[in-house]
This record gives sequence, structure tokens and C-alpha cells, in this order.
Amino acid sequence: ELKVEQNPLFLSMQEGKNYTIYCNYSTTSDRLYWYRQDPGKSLESLFVLLSNGAVKQEGRLMASLDTKARLSTLHITAAVHDLSATYFCAVVGDGGSQGNLIFGKGTKLSVKP
Amino acid sequence: SQTIHQWPATLVQPVGSPLSLECTVEGTSNPNLYWYRQAAGRGLQLLFYSVGIGQISSEVPQNLSASRPQDRQFILSSKKLLLSDSGFYLCAWSVKTSYNSPLHFGNGTRLTVT
Repeated sequence: ELKVEQNPLFLSMQEGKNYTIYCNYSTTSDRLYWYRQDPGKSLESLFVLLSNGAVKQEGRLMASLDTKARLSTLHITAAVHDLSATYFCAVVGDGGSQGNLIFGKGTKLSVKP
Repeated sequence: SQTIHQWPATLVQPVGSPLSLECTVEGTSNPNLYWYRQAAGRGLQLLFYSVGIGQISSEVPQNLSASRPQDRQFILSSKKLLLSDSGFYLCAWSVKTSYNSPLHFGNGTRLTVT
């Protein structure tokens, strides 16, 4: 059974600082997704990572994937308050179907001035 | 462009009452459709997904059911709600022909069973 673990689950950081969120998964998968959820809102797709060594960047967020280590990271550079949200990683489970997307429990990020 | 509509946005229902949540997608055809539930403080749990009209796969046993009467319409139902059915329900769609298509989520329905 595929398990997806994120850490930390809660992260409080000051504006201007850098930090990394980690996403580990337990079995082989060839696709990994990162989503953002604002409080009380829906999920917004951030990144799709498809291959070992894939790196994608959007603004102050950069995501990478190491399929050999079964690890993805979401790096935050010079955090600003607008980045406060919950971030989820998700991995395609058994059978490779998008219908079997397994989500981590999320990392709640709070950026303070 | 594609849009996904989900309603109602909030719902308060008594235990034992029926439920019907509706989701429609515009701007695409033959999408994969999904229902997820997010309980308070927890991650997302896949409830149902559909690859076509009348084709429903259920991921977890429960007192909920799903139907897809039209290509871009997905309905989540229950005959009798339980307290444990409270949560944030999210409908989502993805492109069937794209291997790496992310899920696109609706705005969600916050259901409180009292």
C-alpha cells in the first residue's frame, strides 16, 4: 500500500527566510504533484513532476523529485505572507491511474512578518 | 477554458437525512471525474472516481454513492447521513488523454451533519 508522508506538518516561519517541505512516499511512482490550499478554499495545482531529477520553479517556490530516494521537496525562498497556506503532495498509486492519487496530510505554512 | 462548478457551497443536514451534491464541468469533454472528502485537520480521501458515463469506482466502503448521468456531471448522494459524513467534499476533474494531467478541483461543499 502506497503511503505518502509530509514533514513538517506545521511550519511557522518569518518573512524573508528559506525553508523546505519534504514529501516521502513508500513505493515506486512516476508522477508527483504539489497542491496549495488556502483556508476554507479548494486545492490549486502548483507543480507536476514526472521524472527523476525534475525541478520546477514558480516564483518563490521550487519543487524537485528524486524517484530513487522516493522523495520530493518544496523549497520556499525568501518567504512572504502571501505564501501562508497548506501544501499537499500527492503521488499516483497502484495501477498508475490518476484515479488513485494518494495525498499526504499536508503542511500548514504560516509566514509571519 | 475549463471550469468546474460544485454546489451547494455549504450545507447543514440532520442525521438520517438524504444528501445530493452536484458537480459539473464545462469546456472539456469526456473527463475523468472524482469525489474527495477532507475531514477537519486531515488529508484528502478519494471516495469515487469515474472514467465515463455510468462508470463509477468506489475506493472506500461507506453509506455514500456516486452517479454520472451525463458526461460532465457527477453527483454524490446518500440516503441517510451519519455524523461521520461531516467534512469538506471536493469534486475534481482531469484530462483522460493526458498522462500527467493534474486534478482540477472545484470550490468544495462544506457539509455539517447535526
